[in-house]
Amino acid sequence: DTAVSQTPKYLVTQMGNDKSIKCEQNLGHDTMYWYKQDSKKFLKIMFSYNNKELIINETVPNRFSPKSPDKAHLNLHINSLELGDSAVYFCASSQDIKLVNVEQYFGPGTRLTVT
Amino acid sequence: AQKVTQAQTEISVVEKEDVTLDCVYETRDTTYYLFWYKQPPSGELVFLIRRNSFDEQNEISGRYSWNFQKSTSSFNFTITASQVVDSAVYFCALSDPTGANNLFFGTGTRLTVIP
Repeated sequence: DTAVSQTPKYLVTQMGNDKSIKCEQNLGHDTMYWYKQDSKKFLKIMFSYNNKELIINETVPNRFSPKSPDKAHLNLHINSLELGDSAVYFCASSQDIKLVNVEQYFGPGTRLTVT
Repeated sequence: AQKVTQAQTEISVVEKEDVTLDCVYETRDTTYYLFWYKQPPSGELVFLIRRNSFDEQNEISGRYSWNFQKSTSSFNFTITASQVVDSAVYFCALSDPTGANNLFFGTGTRLTVIP
């Protein structure tokens, strides 16, 4: 069974559209994250949620809105897509926010291409 | 603020050679965790190891070994007798306690093992 899954794996869309990426973890973890990996492979945190509550919201445009319907899911909705949003988006989870449980498990990534 | 430097952008070695990937970090925290992740061409992020700041013992796992030295703020990764399957981008990461203990990644080192 896949521990952290994301759908879709590939997403090609036009500028101005709204799209969502879904993430689910079956590890029973309390904390989930979204990271963005740009074309130069740089990985950066976007958001983190703990028990469905937002913990971190980095300097991300407000066109990006995470939603956590329950502990096992953290979806990423993106409005008015721009060319610069093209990247690979990774979802991850960890047991909780305690430092000793900081090990994170990553999903397979979603490659978003905006044309 | 956290900082992780992987000065080697790309490394190429011939199969069976040993190779060391460097990682230097900066943090003001006294308790933190360091990680290595592997990203093969297929794109997923594979967890390799985590080490807490109080444990400076070197670790060996098969052909992989890690050298953690607090005095030089380094956490280097050595692959012995490299194989083609080791070709990947390797990321060093540092826990970031300012929020949910998300990971702060270095820029990665692309390793190519030539048969």
